[in-house]
Amino acid sequence: DQQVKQNSPSLSVQEGRISILNCDYTNSMFDYFLWYKKYPAEGPTFLISISSIKDKNEDGRFTVFLNKSAKHLSLHIVPSQPGDSAVYFCAASDFGNEKLTFGTGTRLTIIP
Amino acid sequence: DTGVSQDPRHKITKRGQNVTFRCDPISEHNRLYWYRQTLGQGPEFLTYFQNEAQLEKSRLLSDRFSAERPKGSFSTLEIQRTEQGDSAMYLCASSLVTGGTDTQYFGPGTRLTVL
Repeated sequence: DQQVKQNSPSLSVQEGRISILNCDYTNSMFDYFLWYKKYPAEGPTFLISISSIKDKNEDGRFTVFLNKSAKHLSLHIVPSQPGDSAVYFCAASDFGNEKLTFGTGTRLTIIP
Repeated sequence: DTGVSQDPRHKITKRGQNVTFRCDPISEHNRLYWYRQTLGQGPEFLTYFQNEAQLEKSRLLSDRFSAERPKGSFSTLEIQRTEQGDSAMYLCASSLVTGGTDTQYFGPGTRLTVL
């Protein structure tokens, strides 16, 4: 049972434009959500997180939006840069069950 | 502080051999996690420690797997009698729980290949 889903395996975006990565979840107990970026042969790097009491969190070029009623979150990267090319994972946890449940990832390619 | 470190980065072994991986977390972090990632999948939870206590183990962690964190600092993950299906990236993460949230920071991983 895939509780966290990233339905787009890949996404290509022109440099300078906005990248939007999507994630859906099914477990209504999830209350903390994170995005990680992963380069080949490296561990995931934490990017940004959001608690379920918020619907938006910004950090520089990265913004995460959470729609609890739709059980959907998205990561916006603007402007996109070549160094953003990587695999992006969304992850979720619920308070009291600290393990992270990850999606399968979206490979983002920024086209110069 | 240089973040979470893992050793070795790569391990090639023959089926049936035992292997041990080490993880050194960020120094002030009280939680340490182990995950496994196979090709095309996201990381999957294996187990975690709060200080030296192992608080949860996934059903993915068969009895051939054992993890320890003896003094609440570094941790080891041992796989006995390795099988080809154990080939994966083994990831360690650490966190400091504050305010009810738990942001986990990952190490570079140990890639295991079982021949």
